[in-house]
Order: sequence, then structure tokens, then C-alpha cells
Amino acid sequence: DAEITQSPRHKITETGRQVTLACHQTWNHNNMFWYRQDLGHGLRLIHYSYGVHDTNKGEVSDGYSVSRSNTEDLPLTLESAASSQTSVYFCASSDGTGGAETQYFGPGTRLLVL
Amino acid sequence: SQKIEQNSEALNIQEGKTATLTCNYTNYSPAYLQWYRQDPGRGPVFLLLIRENEKEKRKERLKVTFDTTLKQSLFHITASQPADSATYLCALDWGSYIPTFGRGTSLIVHP
Repeated sequence: DAEITQSPRHKITETGRQVTLACHQTWNHNNMFWYRQDLGHGLRLIHYSYGVHDTNKGEVSDGYSVSRSNTEDLPLTLESAASSQTSVYFCASSDGTGGAETQYFGPGTRLLVL
Repeated sequence: SQKIEQNSEALNIQEGKTATLTCNYTNYSPAYLQWYRQDPGRGPVFLLLIRENEKEKRKERLKVTFDTTLKQSLFHITASQPADSATYLCALDWGSYIPTFGRGTSLIVHP
């Protein structure tokens, strides 16, 4: 069965360190997304990609970057982790062939920045 | 800017009753609206999608309505069960193919 996976599931890091969160999907979807979810804010879009070599900034992109070198993967990098980036991060994908775009989410990565 | 409002207070109901959750939005009506379920520690899971030209959609015990005049969608779960307890998110897309999510409403079904 097709799926979307994230790793690690939990991560503790220190302020100033670079951190990369992995996202891998086997749906063969064109679109991939990164969200963060915090109490009181809901899901907020960080970055998204419509296909290989395409990346776009979302609502809360400062301090984050992504790259898309193949269809399956969209890693999220925190260049210099800050305590404000402590959150739960979700990766999602959607078909991208047009029309209504249902999103398929990964299980999430819980990140703690000390 | 567009705003999406879901009741931040948890909805508590008795097993067997119908749960009704509300999603309100401002300004322009979306091209389509989706409802997702999220369990603690897990990612959201898609439930139903309704387009702007549709009034109602059903799937088993679930029903979604979409009223562009009231700028509101209602999500109903009939014959609710404790297993329906979760947070329910609405997500609206105004044509960018990128849904914007509400903050979600927690549903607690008591046996």
C-alpha cells in the first residue's frame, strides 16, 4: 500500500544546530507540503512543492528550507534551530493533477529545541 | 485575508446522539471544503470533500453541508460512538490547490 513516512518521529536538538526532517511518499504524488502544528494555531504551511526542483514558501517559512530532487522526498531543514521551532511537524502529499486536492499526511515528527 | 473559524471548545455528547461541528469562514467562498479527522499523536486523515456547487455530501454516518450564503459548513456524525472521539479539522481551498486548515474542534463521545 502507498504511504507517507516521516523520520525521525521524535527529535531533541539544541539551539543553533541544523536539523533535517525527512519525508518520503510512495503515492507518486506531484505535490508535497510541510506544516507545523502548535496549540492555538492549528496547521500552518511552511513550504510546499508542486514537483521535482520546484519549491515555494508558505505562511511561516522563515528559518526553514526544502529541496525536491525526486518525486518521493521533500526534506525539511531548520538551518539554525530556535526554541520557537519546537513543534509537531507534518508532511503531506496530494495528487497534483488538478481539481480537488485531498491531502495525505504522515504521522508527524515531534521536535524539541532546547 | 480569509479566516476560518471552528469552535475551540470541545463538544461533549452522549453515545448514539448526532454530533454537529461547525466551520465558518469570511469573505469569499472556497472552491471546495474538506473535513479531516485527527487522533492524538497522528496526522490528519481525510473524511469528506464538498464543492461550492454542492449542498450536501454523505458517507456512511457522516454528512457535510455547505451553505455559501451563511459562509458555513456543518459536519454531522449520526449515531455517534466513543470511537468517533477525535479532533475534526475543516480545510478550505480557494483555488490554489493548497487547503487552509481551521484549528479544529475536539469531539468527545461519552458512553
